[in-house]
Amino acid sequence: GAGVSQSPSNKVTEKGKDVELRCDPISGHTALYWYRQSLGQGLEFLIYFQGNSAPDKSGLPSDRFSAERTGGSVSTLTIQRTQQEDSAVYLCASSQAPTTGGRETQYFGPGTRLLVL
Amino acid sequence: GDSVTQMEGPVTLSEEAFLTINCTYTATGYPSLFWYVQYPGEGLQLLLKATKADDKGSNKGFEATYRKETTSFHLEKGSVQVSDSAVYFCALRAFYGGSQGNLIFGKGTKLSVKP
Repeated sequence: GAGVSQSPSNKVTEKGKDVELRCDPISGHTALYWYRQSLGQGLEFLIYFQGNSAPDKSGLPSDRFSAERTGGSVSTLTIQRTQQEDSAVYLCASSQAPTTGGRETQYFGPGTRLLVL
Repeated sequence: GDSVTQMEGPVTLSEEAFLTINCTYTATGYPSLFWYVQYPGEGLQLLLKATKADDKGSNKGFEATYRKETTSFHLEKGSVQVSDSAVYFCALRAFYGGSQGNLIFGKGTKLSVKP
């Protein structure tokens, strides 16, 4: 597609349930990032994939969060045993492989709005 | 670690007023700097960027200059329109030892322009 797509656009779940969020990056972009946007914390980095390398999970807030990227393209962010504080908008972004200086633009998807009741 | 500080909002202006949103950064290397905009109900869009010192990014009448000496990247527009009402995020991106090239964002500044 022309841009980054994410699904679902909205997700309401009950506390304790698992959820999966999907991201389809721009074709040809090898770098993929997940961010979280919440009222209290602003925009936070969660996890980074580059090609087939092991992901950088340094931003994940707890071990309930995990992500995978299959075939270097589509990525899934999984939140296990959801808590109310997980309610946020989850954003995916993709870019060309980053080089020194980080000048490559990251393009964002529309996000998935997660509400945990 | 690297960080971005931008002026807190909300900012309310009348149409055709001059806009400045201040942004300063802290970085151990030589990052690229970005302004992203989020219009109501929409996703984050790149507004402009600058990748080295003294570069000026510009788009849609907005400008920002990468000032290494003051570690700043202030956003300006000479005459705002109602359609500029949005949340503006300043961000940096670095890719050097220890950094994976993720964007580091400021808290965002909400701009409302009244007719």
